[in-house]
Amino acid sequence: DAGVIQSPRHEVTEMGQEVTLRCKPISGHNSLFWYRQTMMRGLELLIYFNNNVPIDDSGMPEDRFSAKMPNASFSTLKIQPSEPRDSAVYFCASSFNAGNTEAFFGQGTRLTVV
Amino acid sequence: GESVGLHLPTLSVQEGDNSIINCAYSNSASDYFIWYKQESGKGPQFIIDIRSNMDKRQGQRVTVLLNKTVKHLSLQIAATQPGDSAVYFCAERRGFQKLVFGTGTRLLVSP
Repeated sequence: DAGVIQSPRHEVTEMGQEVTLRCKPISGHNSLFWYRQTMMRGLELLIYFNNNVPIDDSGMPEDRFSAKMPNASFSTLKIQPSEPRDSAVYFCASSFNAGNTEAFFGQGTRLTVV
Repeated sequence: GESVGLHLPTLSVQEGDNSIINCAYSNSASDYFIWYKQESGKGPQFIIDIRSNMDKRQGQRVTVLLNKTVKHLSLQIAATQPGDSAVYFCAERRGFQKLVFGTGTRLLVSP
């Protein structure tokens, strides 16, 4: 199993530009999570999906952030327009919500907004 | 100006020692807890989990203890190795599938 796959691994963009982060969860998992990790705030849950439906987006910082999950094998996190304070490592994780439900994390996307 | 970041507590041990990493959680309704290990440049990696109807669970070289009375979780690593050096996070499940992470503890293992 390839695990959770995120792309790109690194993204450098200018302030004001649109940024799209991508995630492919582990096949068969039906829950998907987007987290943001910074030195200031640690690991924060932004949004999570169950069976492709957003369940809780209360962690999304503001309207500039949006996430979609058009099918069971793909999700995107979009920031438009991006700002320097969005610089962080963004992680995607997936799990199977039955029995043991540990979440498996991808390698993350390091976003730098200049 | 100087930015203020999270001050991660750090535990420094010698190779071969036993390590104990502690975590306090906040929600008495949380029913599932996980310990994750994060190495530099990588995503968090699952170590061990425990459900709220248990107070102890053992894995290979690791043991998790849960004290619901004081909302405290600990991770014990036996015979700590340099490869155990990482940041360790506890996570609690609040509600349906929502995993909330603690701030983390840095473990430094010297040979």
